[in-house]
Amino acid sequence: QVQLQESGPGQVKPSETLSLTCTVSGVSGDSITNYYWSWIRQPPGKGLEWIAYIYSTASTNYNPSLESRVTLSMDRSKNQISLKFRSVTAADTAVYYCARHPPTRPHYMDVWGKGTPVTVSS
Amino acid sequence: EIVLTQSPGTLSLSPGERATLSCRASQSLSSSYLAWYQQKPGQAPRLLIYGTSTRATGIPDRFSGSGSGTDFTLTISRLEPEDFAVYYCQDFGDSPRITFGQGTRLEIK
Repeated sequence: QVQLQESGPGQVKPSETLSLTCTVSGVSGDSITNYYWSWIRQPPGKGLEWIAYIYSTASTNYNPSLESRVTLSMDRSKNQISLKFRSVTAADTAVYYCARHPPTRPHYMDVWGKGTPVTVSS
Repeated sequence: EIVLTQSPGTLSLSPGERATLSCRASQSLSSSYLAWYQQKPGQAPRLLIYGTSTRATGIPDRFSGSGSGTDFTLTISRLEPEDFAVYYCQDFGDSPRITFGQGTRLEIK
């Protein structure tokens, strides 16, 4: 079955750019470009915040509150979805999840990765 | 921007009891777009319900969803020990596309 694995640096300094990758496995015979893929984050002890989604390498939609600092991209050859988050502050400390939406239905997310923790600290 | 408000913030019940969790939207939603997730400590969220009332694959039938307009409900008919967790509702809208409620913590009484 489909599995998602997030990876990242663990810790970044304030004002730097955070780069995260979600590697998708178990989509044999299919392409990640056929699905919507989201990034969601969860600060310690708090709720979920949707960041953005990407579909078919070039179609993206961002949370307006984060849009100015975020870029999503997709590498079909590597089965990876990447997130770049610029000018981070302590408020960006969170567990970052990637998640898949069902085919042609961006309404909800049916497969989630385990998440990768990120701490913003000098 | 749609705001989803979940209540109560914390619900204390015993195994075997019935749980009713509420999700209220600041404006009317399409019932096709309301989903519920369960999250246990240290784990990723898990999809429970989509389209207001359709259970996701592998979800026991003690979980049910209902509602329309601005008021939606997740009901757990008879609580099992593994059901104690945090529950989030989620909508798909215009901007932002995906919005979550703040969560309801279901704890053992």
